[in-house]
Amino acid sequence: NAGVMQNPRHLVRRRGQEARLRCSPMKGHSHVYWYRQLPEEGLKFMVYLQKENIIDESGMPKERFSAEFPKEGPSILRIQQVVRGDSAAYFCASSPRSGFGTQYFGPGTRLLVL
Amino acid sequence: KNEVEQSPQNLTAQEGEFITINCSYSVGISALHWLQQHPGGGIVSLFMLSSGKKKHGRLIATINIQEKHSSLHITASHPRDSAVYICAVRPQGGSEKLVFGKGTKLTVNP
Repeated sequence: NAGVMQNPRHLVRRRGQEARLRCSPMKGHSHVYWYRQLPEEGLKFMVYLQKENIIDESGMPKERFSAEFPKEGPSILRIQQVVRGDSAAYFCASSPRSGFGTQYFGPGTRLLVL
Repeated sequence: KNEVEQSPQNLTAQEGEFITINCSYSVGISALHWLQQHPGGGIVSLFMLSSGKKKHGRLIATINIQEKHSSLHITASHPRDSAVYICAVRPQGGSEKLVFGKGTKLTVNP
């Protein structure tokens, strides 16, 4: 059973470009979480999704950031018009159920904005 | 003040020593997680606790709900235990999101 997969592992963008980060949850997992780790800071929750639904996006910046988890395919975290402050590690986690389910983390995508 | 505080921030130990990392939180929770982040950046979930104590190999995690405190212990530490250990809580109220501490960087020297 493959773990949570994220791609790309490293992404370099220039200011103003778009960044698309992908997350494939573990097989059988229908809950996906996105977290951001800024340099020298702790992890911060961004968004929680189930298939085709955004359940909690209270940690998402109000502008430029969006997330989806379609019926088919990976979850996507999209950052439009990136700025240098978006440079961070973005982690995805998945769980098989809500409530007390353990979250399994992907390897992360390191985004560098030049 | 952060909702989740860890201590110490940095910890250096000699191989074989007993390690304790502490986590205090200020909100009601439904669960607490201990995570390990390797130098390469990957994150592994070690424990999920809502009460009592759990043990896995040389790792032991305890939680005291009344005191809003958890500890992670490592017995017979080894250089391969060197990593950042992160405490995270799931606040009560049905939220699925985790609130993280800033982590404890552990270095175990041979």
